Amino acid sequence: SAVISQKPSRDICQRGTSLTIQCQVDSQVTMMFWYRQQPGQSLTLIATANQGSEATYESGFVIDKFPISRPNLTFSTLTVSNMSPEDSSIYLCSVEDPRSYEQYFGPGTRLTVT
Amino acid sequence: LAKTTQPISMDSYEGQEVNITCSHNNIATNDYITWYQQFPSQGPRFIIQGYKTKVTNEVASLFIPADRKSSTLSLPRVSLSDTAVYYCLVGVGYSNYQLIWGAGTKLIIKP
Repeated sequence: SAVISQKPSRDICQRGTSLTIQCQVDSQVTMMFWYRQQPGQSLTLIATANQGSEATYESGFVIDKFPISRPNLTFSTLTVSNMSPEDSSIYLCSVEDPRSYEQYFGPGTRLTVT
Repeated sequence: LAKTTQPISMDSYEGQEVNITCSHNNIATNDYITWYQQFPSQGPRFIIQGYKTKVTNEVASLFIPADRKSSTLSLPRVSLSDTAVYYCLVGVGYSNYQLIWGAGTKLIIKP
């Protein structure tokens, strides 16, 4: 199993600013995912972040808006850039166990943009 | 591209068995089917995963028919603490196929 922490747990930001969310894993993992979850909705995959390569973004998400860093096998950041109220959501990171394909999730970052 | 469909909500009573079905037409050959549980203000938590037939662990069973176009999560003898949202997921990241999440089923257990 893997234990994942995220920082910050929540934030309130002003329109036009940027926020960087950190994801720390207690073990080395190759594949990490970033998700967005609107209240009462399912998870939407933003991008897959593998160490040593560029993140792969899903349709509707672009690097300029959601730049991702993956400097090592235990850490990643997601930046939400030039925020608007539509970016208000919960952002979750997860990792996948390559043997079981089980995903382990962080507690999420609740972002409110005013 | 697989699309998943599951009931929006269900309710049941303590001690009952609950079955939640997810439809996933066009599932790919390499896709696994995984179910997650999510409580408010928490990330999803793995329940069970399968490829075909039946899988059972200490908390649930997963039934997958031969055509794999659906799967049924079975929770035996539910309790109030099983009240949560349950998601089915088709695909795994390592296969490079897309991860297709269902919309989630809100399960409410009544005393």
